[in-house]
Amino acid sequence: EPEVTQTPSHQVTQMGQEVILRCVPISNHLYFYWYRQILGQKVEFLVSFYNNEISEKSEIFDDQFSVERPDGSNFTLKIRSTKLEDSAMYFCASTEGNTEAFFGQGTRLTVV
Amino acid sequence: QKEVEQDPGPLSVPEGAIVSLNCTYSNSAFQYFMWYRQYSRKGPELLMYTYSSGNKEDGRFTAQVDKSSKYISLFIRDSQPSDSATYLCAPRTPGNQFYFGTGTSLTVIP
Repeated sequence: EPEVTQTPSHQVTQMGQEVILRCVPISNHLYFYWYRQILGQKVEFLVSFYNNEISEKSEIFDDQFSVERPDGSNFTLKIRSTKLEDSAMYFCASTEGNTEAFFGQGTRLTVV
Repeated sequence: QKEVEQDPGPLSVPEGAIVSLNCTYSNSAFQYFMWYRQYSRKGPELLMYTYSSGNKEDGRFTAQVDKSSKYISLFIRDSQPSDSATYLCAPRTPGNQFYFGTGTSLTVIP
C-alpha cells in the first residue's frame, strides 16, 4: 500500500543550526502539506504546496521556514536558525486532491 | 472563533462500550470530513472519510456529518483496548485545506 515516508525519524540539532526534514509523498498525489505537533498539543498547519508553489501558509510559517520540491519525488521543509521552541513532531501529508490526506510517521525534531 | 472545536477529553470507557466523539466547526466551506486516529508519537492514521452530510459505516466505526448544525461525530461500537488513542476530526475545504481539531484522548479499559 502506498505511504508517505519521512526521514529522519528523529533529528537532534543545536540551537541556531539549520535542519532539513524530508518527505516522499505518495507518487500520484498533487497536494503536499507540512504540519507540526508540539508534544501534548494539537496538530498545527504550517504550509500547503501545489503545482510547485506554496498555496497557503499559516502564521507559524515565517521567514525561518521554507519548502521545496527539488525533484519529482521529494518534498522538504527547511528550518533556519532553529530555536528551542521549534522542538516538535513534524508531519508531512499528501493528497490527490478532493480526497483524503495521508500522513507520514513524522520527524521528531529536538533542538538543544 | 476556532475553525474546529473538539473536546480534548480525556475520555475513559469500559471495553465493549459505545463511544461517541464529536466536533463542531464554523466554516461553511467545509465539504469533506475526515477522522484520524493517532497513537502516541505516531503520525495521524486515516480512519474515515465522508463527503457532505450523512452517515458512513466501516466495521465498528460510523462517521456522521450534519452540515446544517456544523456537527461531526464518530461512533465506535464494541470498543476495544486497541482503540485507545487520540481521535482527530479534520474537515477539508474544496481548496484542499485541512483543519484539525485538538483531538480527543480515548482510553478503553479492559
